[in-house]
Amino acid sequence: QSVLTQPPSVSGAPGQRVTISCTGSSSNIGAGYDVHWYQQLPGTAPKLLIYGNSNRPSGVPDRFSGSKSGTSASLAITGLQAEDEADYYCQSYDSSLSGYVFGTGTKVAVL
Amino acid sequence: QVQLRESGPGLVKPSQTLSLTCTVSGGSISSGSYYWSWIRQPAGKGLEWIGRIYTSGSTNYNPSLKSRVTISVDTSKNQFSLKLSSVTAADTAVYYCVRETVMGGHFDYWGQGTLVTVSS
Repeated sequence: QSVLTQPPSVSGAPGQRVTISCTGSSSNIGAGYDVHWYQQLPGTAPKLLIYGNSNRPSGVPDRFSGSKSGTSASLAITGLQAEDEADYYCQSYDSSLSGYVFGTGTKVAVL
Repeated sequence: QVQLRESGPGLVKPSQTLSLTCTVSGGSISSGSYYWSWIRQPAGKGLEWIGRIYTSGSTNYNPSLKSRVTISVDTSKNQFSLKLSSVTAADTAVYYCVRETVMGGHFDYWGQGTLVTVSS
């Protein structure tokens, strides 16, 4: 049950900047719970991309950045590269559901 | 480098119980800094959190699956396991075992995933 809404797809030319939104509610993002982002390349397991709203794990390029405001969060990819073509998911905790929830997922296409 | 690997039957009959085991290497499952979780993904769809266990044996489950799920841990083997009962075709998915940080609530290490198909 996806309670975090993401656009189904976004696209951009190499070198451009794209953003992915993650819209929640007062029981998850709006309640102050952290948002995390994952990148899933075709045929592979998801990989942690951003944690704690805006922190990058070691090895993740600084082209990826995250932010959070109110009941929404965003992932930005600057200097888009062909290797960034993947599905991206946001994740948070929901107090009404008493568990973790994921976004609906966004497919990024590099034109 | 922590590694997680899922193992178990790839085919389960409807109404039976799905059983998977996750073997953790490169780190101790008894570390108090982590939870150990299961997440699944039907083909072409999004991610669903199933539940988690702490080294003490304390568990939390997705309310939508709670009545059918049991997660257990075997610290002597550095493994944790998932049992999902009364399965239907809707439970067909890739199942991932995942490490979650206690302080952050994010999933930092994932297994490669294993496809479980529910079919007669």
